[in-house]
Amino acid sequence: EVQLVESGGGLVQPGGSLRLSCAASGLTFSSYWMSWVRQAPGKGLEWVANIKQDGSEKYYVDSVKGRFTISRDNAKNALYLQMNSLRAEDTAVYYCARYPVGASHFDYWGQGTLVTVSS
Amino acid sequence: QSALTQPASVSESPGQSITISCTGTSSDVGSYNLVSWYQQHPGKAPKLMIYEGSKRPSGVSNRFSGSKSGNTASLTISGLQAEDEADYYCCSYAGSSTHYVFGTGTKVTVL
Repeated sequence: EVQLVESGGGLVQPGGSLRLSCAASGLTFSSYWMSWVRQAPGKGLEWVANIKQDGSEKYYVDSVKGRFTISRDNAKNALYLQMNSLRAEDTAVYYCARYPVGASHFDYWGQGTLVTVSS
Repeated sequence: QSALTQPASVSESPGQSITISCTGTSSDVGSYNLVSWYQQHPGKAPKLMIYEGSKRPSGVSNRFSGSKSGNTASLTISGLQAEDEADYYCCSYAGSSTHYVFGTGTKVTVL
């Protein structure tokens, strides 16, 4: 059974940093593109970033470019999101999600981790 | 890139059918047959219901179906059941620079 478990969320002050992790199991992690998707409280879903199987390609939504960095460690079956210069508008539940080889949809999601940016 | 447009809410009685629209542009929905739909119950992670416009993942009820016409995709739920009450989001691939855009979300209420 595929499981994605996020961790690392919490309360951080504006301008601060946080690193999210996503532990994957039940899949050949190195075979899949992975993504981070976020959801602000009471709002809709927003794609944040993607990373290719070997980490050679990374893409970001415009609002986080230059502030967030997606990375992965295939030996540890782990996905990361380093978030710097955090803003109030980054407050959200952050989900990691997998998408199937050659596809463009998200078939497995973690349970999410809440990031709150507030002074 | 703006979010895809969905109705804020749809309500219907059990056993009836509903259709949720998802309107994008020629840069996303209209250019790719890569619309997916997600169901989200309160406090839970999204669940994939439809992918590539009309395909159902294993385990998803055949009461859920998807279609597309031009820049608008649609999700139809037939034989509405109480468990279908949830938020639904569409998502479209939008090219190599934007990648993915989600819809605004639709709250489905089973009366």
